[in-house]
Amino acid sequence: NAGVTQTPKFRILKIGQSMTLQCTQDMNHNYMYWYRQDPGMGLKLIYYSVGAGITDKGEVPNGYNVSRSTTEDFPLRLELAAPSQTSVYFCASSRDSVVHEQYFGPGTRLTVT
Amino acid sequence: KQEVTQIPAALSVPEGENLVLNCSFTDSAIYNLQWFRQDPGKGLTSLLLIQSSQREQTSGRLNASLDKSSGRSTLYIAASQPGDSATYLCAVSEGNQGGKLIFGQGTELSVKP
Repeated sequence: NAGVTQTPKFRILKIGQSMTLQCTQDMNHNYMYWYRQDPGMGLKLIYYSVGAGITDKGEVPNGYNVSRSTTEDFPLRLELAAPSQTSVYFCASSRDSVVHEQYFGPGTRLTVT
Repeated sequence: KQEVTQIPAALSVPEGENLVLNCSFTDSAIYNLQWFRQDPGKGLTSLLLIQSSQREQTSGRLNASLDKSSGRSTLYIAASQPGDSATYLCAVSEGNQGGKLIFGQGTELSVKP
């Protein structure tokens, strides 16, 4: 049981490039989330999904896209990377939205220059 | 808009001390509150989750309390150890947006041998 896994661990992008951050969970959780954490700050929600085929925007969705074709995978797409997207990105999953805790992946550290 | 504040931002204590970390939130209409631990360069590990109907939760040397009416939670760590050194984050869920978590900025704890 690996929990929540994320790839890559680190990435440097040039302004205007695109990339996909991968997230996979093996706990059969319906709920999945993408957060970003800027230095010295708490985490902010980018997108979330309550099940395969269902996604919705969080607090800071601009510049990102997601898809959820399976229960296990929840990739985050960055189009036209900007320096403001330099951050650490965390994927999380949960069995439900209220009773059970969220489990987090190890994060992807992204730098846009 | 819900805001979560953690004070102090940093705390240094000698090994063996009992300590309290504080978390306050502005809107008492929460579904649950979670405490997390984050080691440098790592993801978040869930420590305790308190449902809105509960007053406290305990796990080993950790005890978290919740007072919804005053918008406060505390994380009590007994007999602190150097291995407890990490950043501690609290987060509240209002149940909307898939149960998104709203995070405080964290308290960086250092336990000196």
